[in-house]
Amino acid sequence: DVKVTQSSRYLVKRTGEKVFLECVQDMDHENMFWYRQDPGLGLRLIYFSYDVKMKEKGDIPEGYSVSREKKERFSLILESASTNQTSMYLCASSLFRWNEQFFGPGTRLTVL
Amino acid sequence: GQQVMQIPQYQHVQEGEDFTTYCNSSTTLSNIQWYKQRPGGHPVFLIQLVKSGEVKKQKRLTFQFGEAKKNSSLHITATQTTDVGTYFCAGRDNRLAFGKGNQVVVIP
Repeated sequence: DVKVTQSSRYLVKRTGEKVFLECVQDMDHENMFWYRQDPGLGLRLIYFSYDVKMKEKGDIPEGYSVSREKKERFSLILESASTNQTSMYLCASSLFRWNEQFFGPGTRLTVL
Repeated sequence: GQQVMQIPQYQHVQEGEDFTTYCNSSTTLSNIQWYKQRPGGHPVFLIQLVKSGEVKKQKRLTFQFGEAKKNSSLHITATQTTDVGTYFCAGRDNRLAFGKGNQVVVIP
């Protein structure tokens, strides 16, 4: 069974803080993704990575960066958190890039 | 850009009844995927459709991919309380675009 884990279920940060969200998958998948989920807006792709050190912007990359130093780990970084980044963040991985995706449990981030 | 629309956005369904949720794309898709997210949970992959006109069944769930590969539907028969949740379609064009979801409430 594929397992995708995220470092925190809930996180509260202050405006301007640097925030790291970590995601680890255990199935040797090449592809990893970060989404944010907001009520009424569905899932929106922030960034994805198709190999170690490789990344591409998704639909809403502004205010975010990512890091993939190891195949199993994909980090989302909020350089200077703002209140409009309060959201549920979902990490996913897949064997084939745009096929079946396996999601982690999500991190609910609140920025005060 | 690629857009995937889902209708309806919300449904209240009586237990035992059938319902359908629809997904429409602005572009021709190479595949379409369906996911289910239980309340408080994360999206879980249900199925992928690839061929024009394809129909797949999973117990009480029937998935269809349109002939033009621009729309899809999910039909659930004899709704149970365990069907509660949000159903997302995701259409693959050059990337994967998720619809906004259909939130289903089941009335016992």
